Amino acid sequence: GESVGLHLPTLSVQEGDNSIINCAYSNSASDYFIWYKQESGKGPQFIIDIRSNMDKRQGQRVTVLLNKTVKHLSLQIAATQPGDSAVYFCAETGPTGANSKLTFGKGITLSVRP
Amino acid sequence: NAGVMQNPRHLVRRRGQEARLRCSPMKGHSHVYWYRQLPEEGLKFMVYLQKENIIDESGMPKERFSAEFPKEGPSILRIQQVVRGDSAAYFCASSLDRENTEAFFGQGTRLTVV
Repeated sequence: GESVGLHLPTLSVQEGDNSIINCAYSNSASDYFIWYKQESGKGPQFIIDIRSNMDKRQGQRVTVLLNKTVKHLSLQIAATQPGDSAVYFCAETGPTGANSKLTFGKGITLSVRP
Repeated sequence: NAGVMQNPRHLVRRRGQEARLRCSPMKGHSHVYWYRQLPEEGLKFMVYLQKENIIDESGMPKERFSAEFPKEGPSILRIQQVVRGDSAAYFCASSLDRENTEAFFGQGTRLTVV
């Protein structure tokens, strides 16, 4: 069936370096993509989103890149800080509505070394 | 402006008992979504409700699980005759509409079945 998945289970980066988290999706009808951050014991927190008619979107210290040709999504975090340590999930949904039914990947743990 | 409120935060039930999980959406939000998260996994969609109506329940198990979102009061996820496999974190999210606005997640209810 369709799925959204992440390439690596963990990522360790040095404080101040840039982080890149990758995600592959298989549903070519996916219309809307979101990155979430989840800290221990908390619910997912929205980071940034992108629609399928865009290739790139920038936020504060974060950039999301979408490559529809290879069905690949990435999250780039500039100047990674200790507070960025968390589990990151990509999620996608189809054209029935941005919020209606999100499909989440398994998650990758970002660990920031001081 | 309070966020999405879920209670209880932790719930312990013996096998065969009933579990009732409550979710109060953000003020003004009429769309509610329930997700389940097993350890080390991403969130899995369960059900989408809009005041008094179930819009999409394609992720709900066919038996023992039910959800409601009454005109007044919180949304309730009810699990009857719980089994060990129901142990998970259950997250609720709410949004202003279905299409164009961000869905905000609550802190979750961690259900443990003993």
